[in-house]
Amino acid sequence: QVQLVQSETEVKKPGASVRVSCRASGYTFTGYYMHWVRQAPGQGLEWVGWINPNNVATYYAQKFQGRVTLTRDTSISTAYMDLSSLTSDDTAVYYCARESTANYFGLDVWGQGTTVTVSS
Amino acid sequence: DLEMTQSPLSLLVTPGEPASISCRSSQSLLHSSGYNFLDWYLQKPGKSPQLLIYLASNRASGVPDRFSGSGSGTDFTLKISRVEAEDVGVYYCMQPLQIPPYSFGQGTKLEIK
Repeated sequence: QVQLVQSETEVKKPGASVRVSCRASGYTFTGYYMHWVRQAPGQGLEWVGWINPNNVATYYAQKFQGRVTLTRDTSISTAYMDLSSLTSDDTAVYYCARESTANYFGLDVWGQGTTVTVSS
Repeated sequence: DLEMTQSPLSLLVTPGEPASISCRSSQSLLHSSGYNFLDWYLQKPGKSPQLLIYLASNRASGVPDRFSGSGSGTDFTLKISRVEAEDVGVYYCMQPLQIPPYSFGQGTKLEIK
């Protein structure tokens, strides 16, 4: 079945970087954008950016420009989000979600989420 | 950035009764294709968000037909014809048209009486 499986919880110190992975299965990895969305504790959803795994085009929210890098490894159908210069404000659950590159059907499959805690 | 405003921010509903959530965008979400680029997502407690409605009025696969979406341009509505206990959670609208960024509403928390 179609699923996105994310990496485990991360605890980082301020100033560090974190990498979160999202492994896709059950569909053609290069046929779907991979989005990253985060949710701070008790807050709403915030879009981080997306990557087109087919051509590595990326789109980032301006808020994260210069701190976030989205990459992918098509050989293992996995997308990555690297976030640098972490502060306590980056403490959140990070989700990956897919969107068809052909026709728009919404963000129809989501990962289980990865908790990133930034604390000294 | 385009702003999405939901109302109300919370709902307390008796099972079997209807519920309605409004989402207003600061710019039109009507594309030249004729489609309105507005989605609805539900985040159940402790879970990842799940897609309910895409392109304003299309139910996602597996979504019960008690959920419906309507609206055009800047004003959209999600309706639940008869609320069930499993519908509790936070509902978000999202626009994927004026990017970056994709924008979410603040969320509407639905609780059962």
